[in-house]
Amino acid sequence: DVKVTQSSRYLVKRTGEKVFLECVQDMDHENMFWYRQDPGLGLRLIYFSYDVKMKEKGDIPEGYSVSREKKERFSLILESASTNQTSMYLCASSFSGGFTDTQYFGPGTRLTVL
Amino acid sequence: GENVEQHPSTLSVQEGDSAVIKCTYSDSASNYFPWYKQELGKGPQLIIDIRSNVGEKKDQRIAVTLNKTAKHFSLHITETQPEDSAVYFCAASMGGGGADGLTFGKGTHLIIQP
Repeated sequence: DVKVTQSSRYLVKRTGEKVFLECVQDMDHENMFWYRQDPGLGLRLIYFSYDVKMKEKGDIPEGYSVSREKKERFSLILESASTNQTSMYLCASSFSGGFTDTQYFGPGTRLTVL
Repeated sequence: GENVEQHPSTLSVQEGDSAVIKCTYSDSASNYFPWYKQELGKGPQLIIDIRSNVGEKKDQRIAVTLNKTAKHFSLHITETQPEDSAVYFCAASMGGGGADGLTFGKGTHLIIQP
């Protein structure tokens, strides 16, 4: 079974803090993704990575950065957290080279910025 | 790029009745269409998928149909049960394992009334 884990289920931070969200997958997937999920807006792609040290901007990258130093780990960084970044953050991974693009999701991190 | 529209945003059905969720996509090159179910407090989980060389696929009480000419696909759930209550997302991609693969719809909140 594919397993995607996220470091925290719930996180509360203050405005201006630097925030790290960690994601680990155990299926040797090449591709990893960070989404945020807000009511009525669905899943919006923040950043993705198709290889170690590689990253690509998604639809809403502003205010975020990412790091992928190892294949199994993909980190999302909020350089200076703001209240409008309060959201559910979902990490996903997928296999590169197959016919399908099935993504496997972690349980999510609900971040509140005060 | 691909655009996926999903309707309705909320669907309430009586337990035991059928539920249908519909999606349309814009890119005729898309050929892989997964459906995800997200229960409260969890990440989305793949429940069924279909490829463009197939018109219909069934798995017990759930089925997906695809009309490539009209560029729409639907999720059908029969004999609905309380555990079917969740948010459902459709998605589309061109397959091939590309890192930027899936485009998601905005989700349907399915409510099963006892």
